[in-house]
Amino acid sequence: EAGVAQSPRYKIIEKRQSVAFWCNPISGHATLYWYQQILGQGPKLLIQFQNNGVVDDSQLPKDRFSAERLKGVDSTLKIQPAKLEDSAVYLCASSFGGTSGGDTQYFGPGTRLTVL
Amino acid sequence: AQSVTQLDSHVSVSEGTPVLLRCNYSSSYSPSLFWYVQHPNKGLQLLLKYTSAATLVKGINGFEAEFKKSETSFHLTKPSAHMSDAAEYFCVVSPLRGTGFQKLVFGTGTRLLVSP
Repeated sequence: EAGVAQSPRYKIIEKRQSVAFWCNPISGHATLYWYQQILGQGPKLLIQFQNNGVVDDSQLPKDRFSAERLKGVDSTLKIQPAKLEDSAVYLCASSFGGTSGGDTQYFGPGTRLTVL
Repeated sequence: AQSVTQLDSHVSVSEGTPVLLRCNYSSSYSPSLFWYVQHPNKGLQLLLKYTSAATLVKGINGFEAEFKKSETSFHLTKPSAHMSDAAEYFCVVSPLRGTGFQKLVFGTGTRLLVSP
C-alpha cells in the first residue's frame, strides 16, 4: 500500500516569509499528526487531527503556525512568518485512529525547512 | 507526564557483534513503548512495540526489546549487527488510554554506528 506522502521534500526561505507543507496520509487512516524534528532531537508533536477535528494542538505555536484538514484526508501546515528557529524537518504521520495506546503511526519522509 | 531517556547519544559496534541501545521511561500510566528507526533522508520506521502483552517483544530485522517494569527500562538488542543497521534509533512512550487518543513522546535518539 502507498505510504504517507509529503511535499515538498526541501524548502529554503528567508525569515519573515511564509511557507506551507502538504501531507496525504495512508488511505483509511482517521488520525493525522504533524511533528517538528529539530536537528539532534526527537520529533515533537505539533498537532493531531482525528478526521477533520483537532485532538491536540497544545504545542503548536499558534501565533505563527496553522494547520487544517478540511475534508478529513490530506492536510496542510503553514508557518507565517517564519523565524530562524523554525529550521527543522516537519514530519507527517497517520494512524488508523484507535484509542488504544498501541495504535501504530506511519511516518512520511518529511520536509526539511531551512530558514535563512 | 511521560518521558523517555536514551542513555547513549552514540553507540559504536563492529559488524557481527551484539547491539544494545538503552532506554528508560517515566509514565504515570501503564505505557505503550516503541522503538523507531530513522535512516538518513528516510521516514521513521517502526521496529517494534510493547502494549502490555508479552514483556519480550520481537521486531523486524532481528531486533527485540524487553519491558522491565521494576527497572522502568525498555532496552533494544540485536545479537549480531549488520552494516545496514547504521541509523538513528528512537525510544518512544505513549500512555495506554481507555479513551482519548495516542500521544507519542520521543527520546532524543541514539545514533548507531557499525564498522566493518
